[in-house]
Amino acid sequence: NAGVMQNPRHLVRRRGQEARLRCSPMKGHSHVYWYRQLPEEGLKFMVYLQKENIIDESGMPKERFSAEFPKEGPSILRIQQVVRGDSAAYFCASSRDNSGNTIYFGEGSWLTVV
Amino acid sequence: AQSVTQPDIHITVSEGASLELRCNYSYGATPYLFWYVQSPGQGLQLLLKYFSGDTLVQGIKGFEAEFKRSQSSFNLRKPSVHWSDAAEYFCAVGVRGGNTPLVFGKGTRLSVIA
Repeated sequence: NAGVMQNPRHLVRRRGQEARLRCSPMKGHSHVYWYRQLPEEGLKFMVYLQKENIIDESGMPKERFSAEFPKEGPSILRIQQVVRGDSAAYFCASSRDNSGNTIYFGEGSWLTVV
Repeated sequence: AQSVTQPDIHITVSEGASLELRCNYSYGATPYLFWYVQSPGQGLQLLLKYFSGDTLVQGIKGFEAEFKRSQSSFNLRKPSVHWSDAAEYFCAVGVRGGNTPLVFGKGTRLSVIA
């Protein structure tokens, strides 16, 4: 049973380009969470999605960031016009339901903006 | 809203010594509580979790944690640390039911010396 799969693992973008990060949840999981980890900081919640729905995006910057979890395919975190401050590790996690049960993390996508 | 405090940013212990990592949470009701471990460049691995019942929970790799309601704490312990335990440790709190994602502490970095 494959775990949470994220790709790419490492991504380098120039300022102003777009970054797309993909996440395939664990089999049987329909809830996806995106977290961002900046150097020397903990994980900051960004967005929580179920299939085709955004449940909570309170942690996501209002501009340049968007997320989706379509009926078919992986969840996508999209960052437009990247800036140096977007350089971070982005972690996806998934859970089976929304009962507060355990969430399982992917290996992360490390974005570097040059 | 719930919150988590990990008072120790960095701890150094000798191999073979005992370990205790502190975690305090803020939440009005009984929360779900988790400890995750992260090795450099890797994702987060679940060590253990508390949902209900016995307040002393056992996890993987010889770790245990005790939920103390009166102190709003969920400290992680290990009787004898191994060099491979060097990593970043994160405490997280979840809410029963609803659509609320886990909230993480800022982490404690554990160094192990010979």
